[in-house]
Amino acid sequence: GAGVSQSPRYKVAKRGQDVALRCDPISGHVSLFWYQQALGQGPEFLTYFQNEAQLDKSGLPSDRFFAERPEGSVSTLKIQRTQQEDSAVYLCASSLETIWDGEQYFGPGTRLTVT
Amino acid sequence: QQPVQSPQAVILREGEDAVINCSSSKALYSVHWYRQKHGEAPVFLMILLKGGEQKGHDKISASFNEKKQQSSLYLTASQLSYSGTYFCGTEGNAGNMLTFGGGTRLMVKP
Repeated sequence: GAGVSQSPRYKVAKRGQDVALRCDPISGHVSLFWYQQALGQGPEFLTYFQNEAQLDKSGLPSDRFFAERPEGSVSTLKIQRTQQEDSAVYLCASSLETIWDGEQYFGPGTRLTVT
Repeated sequence: QQPVQSPQAVILREGEDAVINCSSSKALYSVHWYRQKHGEAPVFLMILLKGGEQKGHDKISASFNEKKQQSSLYLTASQLSYSGTYFCGTEGNAGNMLTFGGGTRLMVKP
């Protein structure tokens, strides 16, 4: 079956623009995670959904970052008024399990460059 | 707090063995291992849980020392396909999010 897909794969935004990044998890996966990965670093947690409920958003760096998963499947990460420090790869992962002990399936990521 | 991985990079010849370490300054509930090839998504390797339970691929071997808050990933008889960056992710308490280390870059040469 299909894995986790993300779109767009690459996004260039001018500083101050708003962007929306989409994640299509594996069908039936309850948990969905967003991570930010800077060049040469490990993924850094942003937020976690269980179905449509956002259970943890402690990793969102500022109130310019907003994520939603309204119907418990597709999720969108929105960044308002982008800044250069937002440049990174944004990874989405989904898991069949409702707890953190499950295998996470990662998407290929969206590389965001803010100029 | 981010776990510390060592070494930061290692170069092997095909068939050689390697050990990658992950160390945390706080008590751990679980350790997760992923491998990421350049420009690709991280791929799950293994989860080690407090109490000894493990979930993962049969060909991957790892250990979890709860008292020392450390985990090690053992790569034996390395193949070219093992090349990539290995990340450990730690979970401090059950139900908390994963915190990933900075990664260990592994290159296997023919």
